[in-house]
Amino acid sequence: DAGVIQSPRHEVTEMGQEVTLRCKPISGHNSLFWYRQTMMRGLELLIYFNNNVPIDDSGMPEDRFSAKMPNASFSTLKIQPSEPRDSAVYFCASSLNRGRENEQFFGPGTRLTVL
Amino acid sequence: SQQGEEDPQALSIQEGENATMNCSYKTSINNLQWYRQNSGRGLVHLILIRSNEREKHSGRLRVTLDTSKKSSSLLITASRAADTASYFCATDARGNEKLTFGTGTRLTIIP
Repeated sequence: DAGVIQSPRHEVTEMGQEVTLRCKPISGHNSLFWYRQTMMRGLELLIYFNNNVPIDDSGMPEDRFSAKMPNASFSTLKIQPSEPRDSAVYFCASSLNRGRENEQFFGPGTRLTVL
Repeated sequence: SQQGEEDPQALSIQEGENATMNCSYKTSINNLQWYRQNSGRGLVHLILIRSNEREKHSGRLRVTLDTSKKSSSLLITASRAADTASYFCATDARGNEKLTFGTGTRLTIIP
């Protein structure tokens, strides 16, 4: 398996533009997580899905952020409009929720820079 | 402060020495996991210890868990240059698969 795939790997955009980050989880995994990592705030969970359904979006910063999972093999995180403070590395992770053991597999991340 | 906090924030040791990192958390947990992150990469799962376990080994890794003190330690024996990375603990609350990550320990192995 190729692991979790994220695209793009790097994104540079100007303030006010729409940004869409993409994630393909590991085949067979039923949970998907979006994280944001910055030096100041560390690794923060933004939202997670189980069986394509959003379970917890309490970490989504504000209405400018939205996430979808239209099927088991694809998810998007959209920021509209983007702001400089959104600059961070965004990680997608997936796991096979087997009850007590929920090891997560991370993608390589998308480094977002908003100018 | 965060659910998981690692101590120390940064650690530099000579190759071949042992490295110990600690993690403290605040609420009851289902299990505790340790992850490694190399610079510019995603996190990689290292080891999971359940709340009813006290110690676990995997290769050169040894993890302990003290639920009474709400703390865990990760020991890397016979360190190698390739162990240079940041190490994070992560906890999940009972009945919730959401993980809360600590602030991380940046480990540097000096060749």
